[in-house]
Amino acid sequence: GENVEQHPSTLSVQEGDSAVIKCTYSDSASNYFPWYKQELGKRPQLIIDIRSNVGEKKDQRIAVTLNKTAKHFSLHITETQPEDSAVYFCAARGLTGNQFYFGTGTSLTVIP
Amino acid sequence: NAGVTQTPKFQVLKTGQSMTLQCAQDMNHNSMYWYRQDPGMGLRLIYYSASEGTTDKGEVPNGYNVSRLNKREFSLRLESAAPSQTSVYFCASSEVGEQFFGPGTRLTVL
Repeated sequence: GENVEQHPSTLSVQEGDSAVIKCTYSDSASNYFPWYKQELGKRPQLIIDIRSNVGEKKDQRIAVTLNKTAKHFSLHITETQPEDSAVYFCAARGLTGNQFYFGTGTSLTVIP
Repeated sequence: NAGVTQTPKFQVLKTGQSMTLQCAQDMNHNSMYWYRQDPGMGLRLIYYSASEGTTDKGEVPNGYNVSRLNKREFSLRLESAAPSQTSVYFCASSEVGEQFFGPGTRLTVL
């Protein structure tokens, strides 16, 4: 099955700086890569996603890049704000579309 | 439109007791999922159902059973709870892309 690795496990940045979280996947057939944000005690919520036919996608301060050849994708948050503090999860979905495989999460702290 | 709902929100069991976690979605999604979330381990898939009438094992199915009662409802049953099943359980549903998660059930097994 698919194996998704996520780094770093914790990340602290100063407010206004950028944050980058990286994930690798093992199954070249995976074709959909969502990113979720989970605040303490809450459910995961989708913040951005990318499909395998696209190399980059941006939504305001958040962007995701995908390198299919190297099988890795990254989340970029610019101009970080304290409300960006949360745990972020990457995931990959295989070709059959039925199973999502999650990374172990990155705890992001934005220091005011 | 409530999205994905789960009951109960919290539950404490003694070792060996049984219980069923309930999940329902009102988005007419075909696929539904049960995950457990433990510190430092992300979300691990227990079981999923690609459509009404079908269920498949995920990464960590041992000790659990599921029922896809109809298109809306997908329940998770612990027949004989063990302390290792202490976790937060999330139900989710999806169609062609985004997964929508329920609010979670925090289960403690003593």
